[in-house]
Amino acid sequence: AQSVSQHNHHVILSEAASLELGCNYSYGGTVNLFWYVQYPGQHLQLLLKYFSGDPLVKGIKGFEAEFIKSKFSFNLRKPSVQWSDTAEYFCAVLYNFNKFYFGSGTKLNVKP
Amino acid sequence: EAGVVQSPRYKIIEKKQPVAFWCNPISGHNTLYWYLQNLGQGPELLIRYENEEAVDDSQLPKDRFSAERLKGVDSTLKIQPAELGDSAVYLCASSQTSDTQYFGPGTRLTVL
Repeated sequence: AQSVSQHNHHVILSEAASLELGCNYSYGGTVNLFWYVQYPGQHLQLLLKYFSGDPLVKGIKGFEAEFIKSKFSFNLRKPSVQWSDTAEYFCAVLYNFNKFYFGSGTKLNVKP
Repeated sequence: EAGVVQSPRYKIIEKKQPVAFWCNPISGHNTLYWYLQNLGQGPELLIRYENEEAVDDSQLPKDRFSAERLKGVDSTLKIQPAELGDSAVYLCASSQTSDTQYFGPGTRLTVL
């Protein structure tokens, strides 16, 4: 069965620090990749997605992610985090245009 | 544009009681998903509809869970009877195709 792994369960950073959240997925054919964010008290929102083309994708609020096919990874990055980035981040993979799998999430706490 | 609507937002019931959740997807979205999210974990797919057809219900515990989307628009997820382990957040999402999913706020179920 396919799986999505997010190894960092809880990350604490100070404002202006750089962020990288890991996401690895198991092999399973064609993949489309997503990062979702859930701010406190809000529902899941799309941050960015990769379907094809340039493996470096840019999303909202200064976030970006890089698809590295050889490493089965889709890590999320932001050069300088803000307190308002405090949220839970979920990586998701759509396999063969058919089935979604989500990672277990990473809670990011940004200290002002 | 209205988002995905779910009701109720919170539900507390005693074990062995039935419970139902309702979801109205974004207008024009053919695909509707029901997910289960346990505390500290990512969403897990329960069932996916393409219009009124359930195209993936492999993860739905059919002994106690049922779902319907009779007219291909709104959907109901039912649990009967509920067990203590069913306490979780039940998420509904919709998409135009097997593409970006838009999530509702979820229903937080507590089974006592």
